[in-house]
Amino acid sequence: EPEVTQTPSHQVTQMGQEVILRCVPISNHLYFYWYRQILGQKVEFLVSFYNNEISEKSEIFDDQFSVERPDGSNFTLKIRSTKLEDSAMYFCASEDYNYGYTFGSGTRLTVV
Amino acid sequence: KNEVEQSPQNLTAQEGEFITINCSYSVGISALHWLQQHPGGGIVSLFMLSSGKKKHGRLIATINIQEKHSSLHITASHPRDSAVYICAAEEGGSQGNLIFGKGTKLSVKP
Repeated sequence: EPEVTQTPSHQVTQMGQEVILRCVPISNHLYFYWYRQILGQKVEFLVSFYNNEISEKSEIFDDQFSVERPDGSNFTLKIRSTKLEDSAMYFCASEDYNYGYTFGSGTRLTVV
Repeated sequence: KNEVEQSPQNLTAQEGEFITINCSYSVGISALHWLQQHPGGGIVSLFMLSSGKKKHGRLIATINIQEKHSSLHITASHPRDSAVYICAAEEGGSQGNLIFGKGTKLSVKP
């Protein structure tokens, strides 16, 4: 069964550093999403990406965040100048209109 | 803004029991998602439904659009069903902007 692959599974970074979280969505899916889950809290929507541009974003997704699909297969989330409160599990998902969403296994980001 | 409420928050069952998890939302939606989150944190999509009922193996999901309510049922529960079950509402006109519930932590004892 096709999978959404996320790397790394765990990333530790110093406060103020930039991180890039990587995702390889399912190849024939057209919609790509990022979500985050702070420990013990609900999952929250960050951003939708379609046709090589952001189609929707939440209030959380401020100028500190950016997404891109640099090579037609990878889908990345960049966090500039990380803060302690960015520590969370970040999930990538892709969607097939008929069959729904497929989530990756997540990247646990720890900012120290 | 849509609010998604789940009940119960925690549920302990004996193996073989029939389990029901409830989800209610406050405004109209285009789809309701049921997700499973395992202890390691990974999320698996179980169902996406906009009306009626769907069944996959021992799992059944129903939705009542008029009452803004959905249920997830597990028949003949098994310890491997132990996980957090999350419902998420997708509003009309939105793409990917899911409003998630807090989740129901299910523990099935052998």
